[in-house]
Amino acid sequence: DTAVSQTPKYLVTQMGNDKSIKCEQNLGHDTMYWYKQDSKKFLKIMFSYNNKELIINETVPNRFSPKSPDKAHLNLHINSLELGDSAVYFCASSQVLGGQETQYFGPGTRLLVL
Amino acid sequence: ILNVEQSPQSLHVQEGDSTNFTCSFPSSNFYALHWYRWETAKSPEALFVMTLNGDEKKKGRISATLNTKEGYSYLYIKGSQPEDSATYLCAFGDYKLSFGAGTTVTVRA
Repeated sequence: DTAVSQTPKYLVTQMGNDKSIKCEQNLGHDTMYWYKQDSKKFLKIMFSYNNKELIINETVPNRFSPKSPDKAHLNLHINSLELGDSAVYFCASSQVLGGQETQYFGPGTRLLVL
Repeated sequence: ILNVEQSPQSLHVQEGDSTNFTCSFPSSNFYALHWYRWETAKSPEALFVMTLNGDEKKKGRISATLNTKEGYSYLYIKGSQPEDSATYLCAFGDYKLSFGAGTTVTVRA
């Protein structure tokens, strides 16, 4: 019944590796997001897709590449992982209803780069 | 990314007491103000979306007010219970949200 799911929940990897985090939503929403929770606990937007089209691309190293195979999935691939990439990454989805938009978050993926 | 500030950063409340805390945001080009509740080891959960100046929203013992002209919103918890312990986030914007760092509330039994 999970509305927004992410896999894996925890990811421990070595510097220089390439890894992917997957996100799926079963809410029928058109828009999906990736956020990074930084060291000060802020949630910072990274990317957003609407119906498989990229609509937000914040200043993120190009080692990070989102991919949306369909509107229910938004995956995040990270090349050449660095120590500073260690963080919690949250996926979210949203729909506009009655002029108001609410984002629904996944449980987060805790990435640790050693 | 717009500057959204929340204060205090954390607060401790005795069970049964009421409390409130603030979210400040840019007062120009207002679109919407969101409040989320984030329990440890869980996902942020939407509480309110507020769009009109003077809006007041309520969900059980939690309520929020909005002043778009001066750029602030208050969240109130009436008669705090231990299950209210969480970090409360506010976020400002349209589909591109800028989040505050949150106010972490700990309710002591």
